Parts: sequence; structure tokens; C-alpha cells
Amino acid sequence: KAGVTQTPRYLIKTRGQQVTLSCSPISGHRSVSWYQQTPGQGLQFLFEYFSETQRNKGNFPGRFSGRQFSNSRSEMNVSTLELGDSALYLCASSSSLTETQYFGPGTRLLVL
Amino acid sequence: GESVGLHLPTLSVQEGDNSIINCAYSNSASDYFIWYKQESGKGPQFIIDIRSNMDKRQGQRVTVLLNKTVKHLSLQIAATQPGDSAVYFCADTFHGSSNTGKLIFGQGTTLQVKP
Repeated sequence: KAGVTQTPRYLIKTRGQQVTLSCSPISGHRSVSWYQQTPGQGLQFLFEYFSETQRNKGNFPGRFSGRQFSNSRSEMNVSTLELGDSALYLCASSSSLTETQYFGPGTRLLVL
Repeated sequence: GESVGLHLPTLSVQEGDNSIINCAYSNSASDYFIWYKQESGKGPQFIIDIRSNMDKRQGQRVTVLLNKTVKHLSLQIAATQPGDSAVYFCADTFHGSSNTGKLIFGQGTTLQVKP
């Protein structure tokens, strides 16, 4: 089976812009979670989706949003980018909310 | 709040030795624990997991031990190889009635394997 794929892999944006990141889960997986990884804060949970519904949300401002499509693919959007949004954004998929999460390679976002 | 911490930020071992990476968690309700390995430029890679109804689980060259009494988790790697050099994260979650998979990660331990 192909693993979790994320696009794009690298992105450079300027402050104030918005960005959309995409995640394709492992075939057959219906749950997708997003995490932000920074050197200072480590890995932090953003949100999780199951069957197109957001089931849980982390402690991030409303500028961070996401959605899941009927084919389980997911996107996350960050509006009005700030310098502090520079991070590695990781997507993980699992067959259900209580099963093992498998991570993609991440999208590295740099905000200038 | 919830937190999962690792005892040491860096662990240096000789090739061929056994490695032990430790982790403490704070949520006594956590019922699922998982170890990931992250190499530079890559996403976290699943190593092994354990549920709270178990004390020990073995995989290929790896063993996870769970001590719920002291809320401690450890990852043992047998015959450590240069390819094991990476950052290791523990994570926990409480599935509970909300049926969420939200993982709480520790800060990570960098394993350095000396040839």
C-alpha cells in the first residue's frame, strides 16, 4: 500500500498570505489528523477528521482550518500567515480514530 | 494539562549495545501509547504501540514496557545499529467516550549511535 502523501513538500509564503496544504491518506483509511511540528513546541495536535466530520480540534487560533472530502483526502488552510506559522505540518491517517496513526513526510512551510 | 515527557534529550550508545529510551506521561486515563522514530527530513515512522491492558510488547529488535503505576513508558532497542540514529518520540492518547485519536507527544530523545 502507498503511504500517506502530502503536497506540496515545501512552501515559502510571506506574512499575510494564506496557504492550503493537502493530504492523501493510506487507501482505506478514513481518519486524518494534522499536527504542527516546531523546534520550540514540538509536535502539537491541530485537528482530526473522520468521515468528513471534524472530531477534535487542538489549541490553535481560528486562522487554522481544515476539511475532509468524501474520498478521505484532507486539506488544511492557514489564513493571514504569521512568522510563527513556519513549521513542518504533518498529516497522519488511520483506519479509525482508535487505531494506529501513520504519518506522511510533511509539508515544510516557511513564512517570510 | 496533559503532557508526555522524555527523560533525556540525547542518548549516545555504541553500535551493538542495547538502547533504552524512557518516557513519563501524566494522564492516568491514557489507554494507548505509541513510539515513533523520526529521521531528518522525514515524518514520524511508527515503531511499536501498546494498549493499557498490557505491560510489555515485543517487535523486531524493539520492546516497549508500560508501567501504569508510575506512569512510565520505555522503548528498548536491541543491538543498536547506525540506522537507528534518529529522534524518538513517545505519544499517548485517551480514546475514552469521545473516541478521539488525538496524540500528545513528548519532546523527543535524539539517539546517536557511535560506530
